[in-house]
Amino acid sequence: KAGVTQTPRYLIKTRGQQVTLSCSPISGHRSVSWYQQTPGQGLQFLFEYFSETQRNKGNFPGRFSGRQFSNSRSEMNVSTLELGDSALYLCASSPEGRRTSGNTIYFGEGSWLTVV
Amino acid sequence: AQTVTQSQPEMSVQEAETVTLSCTYDTSENNYYLFWYKQPPSRQMILVIRQEAYKQQNATENRFSVNFQKAAKSFSLKISDSQLGDTAMYFCAFMKFTTGNQFYFGTGTSLTVIP
Repeated sequence: KAGVTQTPRYLIKTRGQQVTLSCSPISGHRSVSWYQQTPGQGLQFLFEYFSETQRNKGNFPGRFSGRQFSNSRSEMNVSTLELGDSALYLCASSPEGRRTSGNTIYFGEGSWLTVV
Repeated sequence: AQTVTQSQPEMSVQEAETVTLSCTYDTSENNYYLFWYKQPPSRQMILVIRQEAYKQQNATENRFSVNFQKAAKSFSLKISDSQLGDTAMYFCAFMKFTTGNQFYFGTGTSLTVIP
């Protein structure tokens, strides 16, 4: 069974540009969550999608947005990139909507974004 | 709001020895999950162990065990017979029981196993 797949793995963008990151969850998983990891702020929750609906949202500005498609694949978009957006963006997937078993959450290897 | 604190930024242990990583958390929730995740240099988060707050028995997973003290809001991880492959960043994480799959992570402890 394929794991959580994130693309692209590495990318470099210029300040002011926008970027789209993709996450393909494990087959059968309907929940996808996104996290930002930086040396200064650590791991911070961005948002979670379940069945194409945003269920939870972290404390990030509106430049950060996401969506989920009917096949559960998810994308996150960051507009008007700032230098501080440079980070590892991690995606996690889980089968459940209502969480019944916390050990069924799997992470991808992340997308490294560098803003110059 | 939920907060997770890991007060040991870095730790080291001799191979085959035992090490304990500390984690405290703050929450007003009564039911929740606690986790330890490992992040090796590859950066992929790997579940080490989890604990349901409503279970009094401490979780164990092979060489990994936890000491869960609910009243003290403490959740430490003990690694026995440390191996070189245990070298990684370890994150303590909290998840509410009812509101989806949202982790609150600590700042991490970098563990180095010395041969």
